[in-house]
Amino acid sequence: GAVVSQHPSRVICKSGTSVKIECRSLDFQATTMFWYRQFPKQSLMLMATSNEGSKATYEQGVEKDKFLINHASLTLSTLTVTSAHPEDSSFYICSARGGLGGDYQPQHFGDGTRLSIL
Amino acid sequence: EDQVTQSPEALRLQEGESSSLNCSYTVSGLRGLFWYRQDPGKGPEFLFTLYSAGEEKEKERLKATLTKKESFLHITAPKPEDSATYLCAVQASVDNYGQNFVFGPGTRLSVLP
Repeated sequence: GAVVSQHPSRVICKSGTSVKIECRSLDFQATTMFWYRQFPKQSLMLMATSNEGSKATYEQGVEKDKFLINHASLTLSTLTVTSAHPEDSSFYICSARGGLGGDYQPQHFGDGTRLSIL
Repeated sequence: EDQVTQSPEALRLQEGESSSLNCSYTVSGLRGLFWYRQDPGKGPEFLFTLYSAGEEKEKERLKATLTKKESFLHITAPKPEDSATYLCAVQASVDNYGQNFVFGPGTRLSVLP
């Protein structure tokens, strides 16, 4: 149980392109989804938290207009990197939490998206 | 400010050589402490949740324990397939949203055959 699917797993695109990443909870309803960024050999850096039907809450230093987050349903959240530039290249990981126990539940992670901007 | 540190940063073990990983935390009220395993190029895989001091959880060769200041992940007779980065995260009971995890930097474990 508690499977989170993230697509695509890898994206390579030109500078200036917008890229959309999908995160789906396959076997549970995710009341909250999280988006992280991870640099090589470093831990996860939280970018934003989103609750279904609400605006995402962004961490300090994360540009809202650059990283658009939509959490339209209890099983789907999307992250759109707008007008991506080489410095946006990174490993992006989503996680989801829900089900019985609410906020005491662990986060379950997708397998990440490797974004490379040329 | 909530903080999580992990030690050692990296650990190399021979197959069968048991050891422990440490996660030390400072948090304004602990709601939960979570252990994850992360393989290269993958998202973290959930292992355990610990909620209160004295609690222990086991799964195959792994055993997690919790005190008021730290958690240990004990690995008994590890195998090469246990090689991964092990992440510890804490969730505070008092924060703006009651949602956020604070992750430690991880311990990179290598088990040699």
